[in-house]
Amino acid sequence: DAGVIQSPRHEVTEMGQEVTLRCKPISGHDYLFWYRQTMMRGLELLIYFNNNVPIDDSGMPEDRFSAKMPNASFSTLKIQPSEPRDSAVYFCASSFFLSGGLHEQFFGPGTRLTVL
Amino acid sequence: AQTVTQSQPEMSVQEAETVTLSCTYDTSESDYYLFWYKQPPSRQMILVIRQEAYKQQNATENRFSVNFQKAAKSFSLKISDSQLGDAAMYFCAYRYPRQKLVFGQGTRLTINP
Repeated sequence: DAGVIQSPRHEVTEMGQEVTLRCKPISGHDYLFWYRQTMMRGLELLIYFNNNVPIDDSGMPEDRFSAKMPNASFSTLKIQPSEPRDSAVYFCASSFFLSGGLHEQFFGPGTRLTVL
Repeated sequence: AQTVTQSQPEMSVQEAETVTLSCTYDTSESDYYLFWYKQPPSRQMILVIRQEAYKQQNATENRFSVNFQKAAKSFSLKISDSQLGDAAMYFCAYRYPRQKLVFGQGTRLTINP
C-alpha cells in the first residue's frame, strides 16, 4: 500500500484565496483525521471522520474551515478565505478499528501551507 | 478532558548513550492506549511504540522501550544506544477506543556525535 497520500505537499497562496488540501487514506481504513501543526500550538486535531461521517469537528478553528469526505478514499480540507495565521503543516491520518480496540494512526507526509 | 503533558521541550544525549523522555497524562478511563510518535525533519509522523493500558508488561521495540506506570499516569520512553538517526521531535499521545488521539507538545531530541 502507498500509505496515506496528501496533495499538494507545498502550497503558497495569498491572503483571501481559497485553499483546498486533499487526502487519500489507506484502503480499508474507516477513520480519517485532519491535524494542523504549528510551532505555537503543536499538533491540533481539526476534525475526524468514521465511515465518511464527521464525528468530531470541535477542533475546526472557525467557519472559514470546512472538511468533506465524499467517499471512503478521498477527503478535502478547505479554507476560504485563507489568512496568514492559517500557515501551518496540515496532516491527514487514517486508521481502522480492530476488535481489540488497538488501532494505529498512519500519517500522511503533510501539506505545508504558507499564506502571504 | 484527557490531556497529555511532556515537560521536557528539549533533550540532548551523546551518541550511544541512553535517554529517557517523560510523558504524563490525565484521564478517568481505565482502558486506553498510549503511543510515542517520532517526527524527523522530513515531518513524517512515525509510530515508535504503543502500549495498551490493560497490559502490565512494558512494551519494547528494539532499542525503544517504555516505562508505563498506570497509577501514576506516566508513560516514559527510553532510547538505548542512541543513534544520530534518532534525532527528531518525539510526541507522546493518548487514545481512548474509538476516540481521537491527544498529543503532548513534543520533546526535541538532539543526538551529539
